[in-house]
Amino acid sequence: QKEVEQDPGPLSVPEGAIVSLNCTYSNSAFQYFMWYRQYSRKGPELLMYTYSSGNKEDGRFTAQVDKSSKYISLFIRDSQPSDSATYLCAMTDGINTDKLIFGTGTRLQVFP
Amino acid sequence: DAGVTQSPTHLIKTRGQQVTLRCSPKSGHDTVSWYQQALGQGPQFIFQYYEEEERQRGNFPDRFSGHQFPNYSSELNVNALLLGDSALYLCASSSAQRSLAETQYFGPGTRLLVL
Repeated sequence: QKEVEQDPGPLSVPEGAIVSLNCTYSNSAFQYFMWYRQYSRKGPELLMYTYSSGNKEDGRFTAQVDKSSKYISLFIRDSQPSDSATYLCAMTDGINTDKLIFGTGTRLQVFP
Repeated sequence: DAGVTQSPTHLIKTRGQQVTLRCSPKSGHDTVSWYQQALGQGPQFIFQYYEEEERQRGNFPDRFSGHQFPNYSSELNVNALLLGDSALYLCASSSAQRSLAETQYFGPGTRLLVL
């Protein structure tokens, strides 16, 4: 079993839709949770990070962490075609903070 | 302010050859991590360098080695290349003074194809 599980998609939604992306994990020691966006043939770009449980909002993006369920989510409101990319969740335990554990990524396509 | 830069952008090698990939961290960053991203997969941690020493290593064989220079730039070397080493190699830089989650920036990657 992988430490971090993420549905690879692809997920196809119309412009303006609310998108929900999710990851589950098995290591209860994880404390830092991140979402990266990766466009084709580019490196990952940090979108949001959250420490421990709770919600964090940044513009159209909301990250949620439920440590009791070992489940994290990223919501994208009013999705745009420019949001079409692969979304990677990543996490680390805060002790060995140098090593990020990534999910496989979910490919999202937002069509006009 | 230049972000993380990597060279070359693409590389084609044959099995058994050796390859060296290069990374320059973002200005103000002193720590460099290397990741391997196979097609359709998430990045996997190879190792990290800080103060010119390998600080942590992932589950990769000794064929993968690295170096960090006094100016914080870094090299990744892979010996005896295998077909399975074909991947996008990502360099990420960060500052040891702040939380990794806050400051890790990735470069565009080097795409390696082993034939």
